Amino acid sequence: QVQMQESGPGLVKPSGTLSLTCTVSGGSISDYHWGWIRQSPQKGLEWIGSVNSSGRDNYNPSLKSRVTISLETSMNQFSLKLSSVTAADTAVYFCARVSYDFWTGDYYYYMDVWGKGTTVSVSS
Amino acid sequence: DIQMTQSPSALSASVGDRVTITCRASQNIGNYLNWYQQKPGTAPKLLIYAASSVQRGVPSRFSGSRSGTYFTLTISSLQPEDFATYYCQQSFSTLYSFGQGTKLEI
Repeated sequence: QVQMQESGPGLVKPSGTLSLTCTVSGGSISDYHWGWIRQSPQKGLEWIGSVNSSGRDNYNPSLKSRVTISLETSMNQFSLKLSSVTAADTAVYFCARVSYDFWTGDYYYYMDVWGKGTTVSVSS
Repeated sequence: DIQMTQSPSALSASVGDRVTITCRASQNIGNYLNWYQQKPGTAPKLLIYAASSVQRGVPSRFSGSRSGTYFTLTISSLQPEDFATYYCQQSFSTLYSFGQGTKLEI
């Protein structure tokens, strides 16, 4: 059974870089897509972006200039870096596996395995 | 961007009730719609994908349907463990977006 766990600092200073790692156990990171989602009372659930097993990434345009998501295949991990953070980036950050079904000629994507989430606060 | 609008925002119901939650997409998204359940302090849990496919391990009392740009999550007979917040999410666009959530309360 695949499990995922986020790790990283819980407090980041304004203008700094938020760095989180998601460790995947019970399955290979060489399959599927892998994504980051955050949740705050102000914005609800917000898609940050994803990376596929080939390293191809896809980001939320509103965050694209500040975000990098990358695979670390040898460690079975993937990471999130968000630069120039402000208080608006304070949220619970989740990593998730993006699976798909190929059905009637189309790919249907969904997030079927999630980490427990980690709270990141941006404050001096 | 595709906007997802859920209704109602909150709903009170009793054990054994049949409950329906609606999600409307701002444009045609086909069947690219997923439903999640979230309990306080935990991550969302996938219930339904591709509008009507029930995820393995999810009880059969959960079902999903689509009519145009309107999607419905139905719980046929509420159980105590079903009181939670429910979210829809579209995957038609690579910019995934979520509804604002429907809180189901006792």
